[in-house]
Amino acid sequence: ETGVTQTPRHLVMGMTNKKSLKCEQHLGHNAMYWYKQSAKKPLELMFVYSLEERVENNSVPSRFSPECPNSSHLFLHLHTLQPEDSALYLCASSQEWTFNQPQHFGDGTRLSIL
Amino acid sequence: AQSVTQPDIHITVSEGASLELRCNYSYGATPYLFWYVQSPGQGLQLLLKYFSGDTLVQGIKGFEAEFKRSQSSFNLRKPSVHWSDAAEYFCAVGAKGGSEKLVFGKGTKLTVNP
Repeated sequence: ETGVTQTPRHLVMGMTNKKSLKCEQHLGHNAMYWYKQSAKKPLELMFVYSLEERVENNSVPSRFSPECPNSSHLFLHLHTLQPEDSALYLCASSQEWTFNQPQHFGDGTRLSIL
Repeated sequence: AQSVTQPDIHITVSEGASLELRCNYSYGATPYLFWYVQSPGQGLQLLLKYFSGDTLVQGIKGFEAEFKRSQSSFNLRKPSVHWSDAAEYFCAVGAKGGSEKLVFGKGTKLTVNP
């Protein structure tokens, strides 16, 4: 059983659609993360939120827009995506935003762009 | 900046055989090291972590890892592999300075033959 829940598990969308990915953590953590996982590439950190404030934005295109309304929820709003954005998007959380904290991951959303 | 190399993209072992997955890191100070496992269709699960102290670290599911500073390595081992260990394994290093984040290797996919 995971303490980090992601919905939907699978998403197929056209390049002109707008959709959102949702992440919820039940661990009482203060930091939340979005990662992109593509085949044959390392995990790419996209965004970090600590205490609901965005603290990291790793040169992610503006077609990805994160939102963190409270410390338990994290969203990734998608619009006008490109085929290369097809990937597994993983949400994670940790007790605090520090380098020595283990992160707890959700099962991901498999995104396919038509 | 820190970096992680997992030299083996894919490893195949027979059930009951021993396993060693290699991880080399690059970082100027003492790193914080992690091993994660990802089963098909799931997110990453923490196997074990090393921060300081005893260089041989025990984790879940019968895994262990040894930190060797002289070789900049943190190899993962298991004496006897079970079919359920088939998954992808990721080594990660956390480092302070500039950005509080984990850097992941590209992963090693483990296949277990009956």
